[in-house]
Amino acid sequence: QVQLVQSGAEVKKPGASVKVSCKASGYTFTDYYIHWVRQAPGQGLECMGRINPNSGGTNYAQKFQGGVTMTRDTSISTAYMELSRLRSDDTAVYYCARVPIFGVGYGMDVWGQGTTVTVSS
Amino acid sequence: DIQMTQSPSSLSASVGDRVSITCRASQSISTYLNWYQQKPGKAPTLLIYAASSLQSGVPSRFSGSGSGTDFTLTISSLQPQDFATYYCQQSYSAPLTFGGGTKVEI
Repeated sequence: QVQLVQSGAEVKKPGASVKVSCKASGYTFTDYYIHWVRQAPGQGLECMGRINPNSGGTNYAQKFQGGVTMTRDTSISTAYMELSRLRSDDTAVYYCARVPIFGVGYGMDVWGQGTTVTVSS
Repeated sequence: DIQMTQSPSSLSASVGDRVSITCRASQSISTYLNWYQQKPGKAPTLLIYAASSLQSGVPSRFSGSGSGTDFTLTISSLQPQDFATYYCQQSYSAPLTFGGGTKVEI
């Protein structure tokens, strides 16, 4: 079935980097953007940006420009999100989700299970 | 980035009630508006896309309306499993920004 499976929980120290993976299965990986969304404890959903797995092109939210890098490996249908210079307020659950590249107005119809990233000294 | 504002931030309702949640965009987004439901500890699920199209498998008691800058999610008859937090999201331009959420409580 169609699914996105994310890597496991991470605990990092302030100033470190974290790289989260999102493996797609059950569909053509290059037909859908992969978006990254985070949710701090008790807070709402925050879009970080997206990657086009076909071209590798990225769009990052202003807040995350310079601190986030999204990449992909089409040979294993996996997208990655790396966040650098971690701070305590980066503690959150990080989700990946897909949106069709072709067509307009579609939502995120498949989500990963989420990866908890804890930043603590 | 386009800003999305939801209201109310929370509401109390009873089973069987008709519930409406509103969402406003900081600029016109045509009908590029999606609604999600999220339960505690779970990933969000897509309810409505393109302002009024019901995602496959979503009960017909959920409906969406609006265009331009103002949108509404309506639950016609609230069921016990509908107590959750609801988010709107614009898909007009990347990054796809979310509203702040509306928590529907008993």
